[in-house]
Amino acid sequence: KNEVEQSPQNLTAQEGEFITINCSYSVGISALHWLQQHPGGGIVSLFMLSSGKKKHGRLIATINIQEKHSSLHITASHPRDSAVYICAVEGGGNQFYFGTGTSLTVIP
Amino acid sequence: GAVVSQHPSRVICKSGTSVKIECRSLDFQATTMFWYRQFPKQSLMLMATSNEGSKATYEQGVEKDKFLINHASLTLSTLTVTSAHPEDSSFYICSASDFILRKAFFGQGTRLTVV
Repeated sequence: KNEVEQSPQNLTAQEGEFITINCSYSVGISALHWLQQHPGGGIVSLFMLSSGKKKHGRLIATINIQEKHSSLHITASHPRDSAVYICAVEGGGNQFYFGTGTSLTVIP
Repeated sequence: GAVVSQHPSRVICKSGTSVKIECRSLDFQATTMFWYRQFPKQSLMLMATSNEGSKATYEQGVEKDKFLINHASLTLSTLTVTSAHPEDSSFYICSASDFILRKAFFGQGTRLTVV
């Protein structure tokens, strides 16, 4: 069983839709990261959070430490949001665990 | 099992010496690999894009002469931290993307401590 589970693995949405990507983890963590990778590009960090909620533009990330669960929301989705979104958690001793990613395609 | 292997996982070196970190894709050929670093309690930061058979592309603010990247084969990229200083102490991670599967795979990371 992976330490980090993401769902869904693939997601297709119409432009303008509200999108949610979920991440569950099974290890104790010091922080959780949401990462984005556009086709052919390197990964960029969207959020790093250890509690509560963060918002940046149309992106919102939440985390529930007790339930070991995080969600990434995209409001008013746009084709340029099409990318792979990866959940990663930092365990003890600088141990990183990565989800397998969610491939998002937003159709105009 | 791991599809991207990074080595070493931990290294301690003296100031002024050079350290090489290897990143290998095990199950697929990676024409492009990526190198990241993370300072304590901060996000992963992309340092450079490693391209097989050509020069690496560095992000703004990353010294190419200090962080030498070599991607001589489709399964191996190396990052060499030259003339290391204590401020280079950090956590370095590589990733390789299987663009057919649209998945990114990460190495285990390397904790570098320069004393």
